[in-house]
Amino acid sequence: AQSVTQLDSQVPVFEEAPVELRCNYSSSVSVYLFWYVQYPNQGLQLLLKYLSGSTLVKGINGFEAEFNKSQTSFHLRKPSVHISDTAEYFCAVSNGGYQKVTFGTGTKLQVIP
Amino acid sequence: EAQVTQNPRYLITVTGKKLTVTCSQNMNHEYMSWYRQDPGLGLRQIYYSMNVEVTDKGDVPEGYKVSRKEKRNFPLILESPSPNQTSLYFCASSLFQGGAEAFFGQGTRLTVV
Repeated sequence: AQSVTQLDSQVPVFEEAPVELRCNYSSSVSVYLFWYVQYPNQGLQLLLKYLSGSTLVKGINGFEAEFNKSQTSFHLRKPSVHISDTAEYFCAVSNGGYQKVTFGTGTKLQVIP
Repeated sequence: EAQVTQNPRYLITVTGKKLTVTCSQNMNHEYMSWYRQDPGLGLRQIYYSMNVEVTDKGDVPEGYKVSRKEKRNFPLILESPSPNQTSLYFCASSLFQGGAEAFFGQGTRLTVV
């Protein structure tokens, strides 16, 4: 079975400061990893994904994430946040193929002016 | 424009009154799924479908039914809604599961009184 842990339910950060949203996963086989963003009253949108290859993955809106197999982590980072980044962020894991995707419980990023 | 369309966006109903939430995608995706989102619990998969006439249970299927008679449509049926099914529901589709990006609908906020 696979699982995802997002330890931080809320992360407040000042505008233009860096941010890291943490994600740890467990899986007995190789994984695909995703970060999705959900803006208020909207559906989820893919930020970035790791399938294979380089462990540093760049996504939209200046976000990036690093896959660390030894620590089973896939933390999301942005060097300088903007007010418009205020949203809820979900980490997700899949074993590939037609296997299901498991989502974490989400982290609400609140950017303070 | 590639999109997943859910209807209705908001619904208030009474306990026991059958309802259907529709979902349609225009990307010719094989894989479609339904999730419910509850505070603190993230997204939990209700049912998924790998193709026409092929459906399977997700993590929380009790009280729900689905059908996949056409590739583009994947309705969610609540035969006898109960208050514990009050939630935010999302439909999603992808070319295949696993490593493929999932496109999400805008969500349906259901309240059962």
